[in-house]
Amino acid sequence: DAGVTQSPTHLIKTRGQQVTLRCSPKSGHDTVSWYQQALGQGPQFIFQYYEEEERQRGNFPDRFSGHQFPNYSSELNVNALLLGDSALYLCASSLAGGRETQYFGPGTRLLVL
Amino acid sequence: KQEVTQIPAALSVPEGENLVLNCSFTDSAIYNLQWFRQDPGKGLTSLLLIQSSQREQTSGRLNASLDKSSGRSTLYIAASQPGDSATYLCAVRPTAAGNKLTFGGGTRVLVKP
Repeated sequence: DAGVTQSPTHLIKTRGQQVTLRCSPKSGHDTVSWYQQALGQGPQFIFQYYEEEERQRGNFPDRFSGHQFPNYSSELNVNALLLGDSALYLCASSLAGGRETQYFGPGTRLLVL
Repeated sequence: KQEVTQIPAALSVPEGENLVLNCSFTDSAIYNLQWFRQDPGKGLTSLLLIQSSQREQTSGRLNASLDKSSGRSTLYIAASQPGDSATYLCAVRPTAAGNKLTFGGGTRVLVKP
């Protein structure tokens, strides 16, 4: 059983560009959350998707948007990239209403030059 | 607004010594608290999850306690090994609805042989 997978593993972009990151949840999970982790800090919640809709959102600007597909996989899009967007982007999956832990993917390392 | 703090930010101990990692949170109205391990540049691995009604959880050499009223949790790792070297993060989930986690900044642990 594959766990949470993310692609790509690494990405280099320049300021002003747009980026799309992808996540496939653990089998049986229907909820996907995205987190941003700057170097040396804890992850910060970006947003969560369930039933193809954004259900919760953290304190991130509208440049950050997402999508969830019928197979529960998800994309994170970031427009007009800033140097400060350089971070490890983590995807986590879970079962809606479940008490169990979220399962995290290996992350996508984004570097904005 | 929930804030989670982990002190110290870094810790170095000789192999065999017990590790004590601290986590504090400002809002005691939590659903559960989790401890994660993160190796450099990698995703998060869940270690222990404590529901709000529980006082502690144990798994092998790991034991985590929770005192909701004082807003504190402690992770104990017995007889530390070099393989325990990693960053340890605690995270609180505020409600049953939604899976948003608020993380602390982490404690970076080095176990010296």
